[in-house]
Amino acid sequence: DAKTTQPPSMDCAEGRAANLPCNHSTISGNEYVYWYRQIHSQGPQYIIHGLKNNETNEMASLIITEDRKSSTLILPHATLRDTAVYYCIVRPRRTGNQFYFGTGTSLTVIP
Amino acid sequence: GAVVSQHPSRVICKSGTSVKIECRSLDFQATTMFWYRQFPKQSLMLMATSNEGSKATYEQGVEKDKFLINHASLTLSTLTVTSAHPEDSSFYICSAPGTSGSDAGELFFGEGSRLTVL
Repeated sequence: DAKTTQPPSMDCAEGRAANLPCNHSTISGNEYVYWYRQIHSQGPQYIIHGLKNNETNEMASLIITEDRKSSTLILPHATLRDTAVYYCIVRPRRTGNQFYFGTGTSLTVIP
Repeated sequence: GAVVSQHPSRVICKSGTSVKIECRSLDFQATTMFWYRQFPKQSLMLMATSNEGSKATYEQGVEKDKFLINHASLTLSTLTVTSAHPEDSSFYICSAPGTSGSDAGELFFGEGSRLTVL
């Protein structure tokens, strides 16, 4: 039962930053925000996750609003290989808990 | 991060036959694994939760007798599509949660298995 809302599609120019929004207005206090992406015909790939602080790793940055009701995934310099469907998921950070996927955002990076 | 491997990556079978898909956690133990199904241009749909040493838990609307899941060891779960029909043609993906350190809470996915039923 997905608890997130994302725009169905976005375009981004190669080399520019891609900002992908996600609304999760019913997020609970113990739920983390996870981002995955799926390149065509492959299994999803983990990108980043966070609870309330902004996070950055080698792939992306995650900005979570202070009220935690929305977040933005930032790919700082999009490349053609970043073309994929990006999924935002909220769930408690416990091993046994399922991941329910929403519809995601199909990002197309344009040369 | 941890590695999850699926086999086969592609399988074509005749209608009425059964197909088994394997999911292995290569460098970690997984007491729980998840099986997803994905139709073209759609999102991943959770089918069932596979539990080592006990029965799988199926999501609402998923036929447990149609999709047999066996989690016989801490590194292997199998999904058998019994008496497959063309409408079962789909992309099946397994996943397992990380259990230690920075991997804890993260979900690792296999490469997926594309089933085509003729």
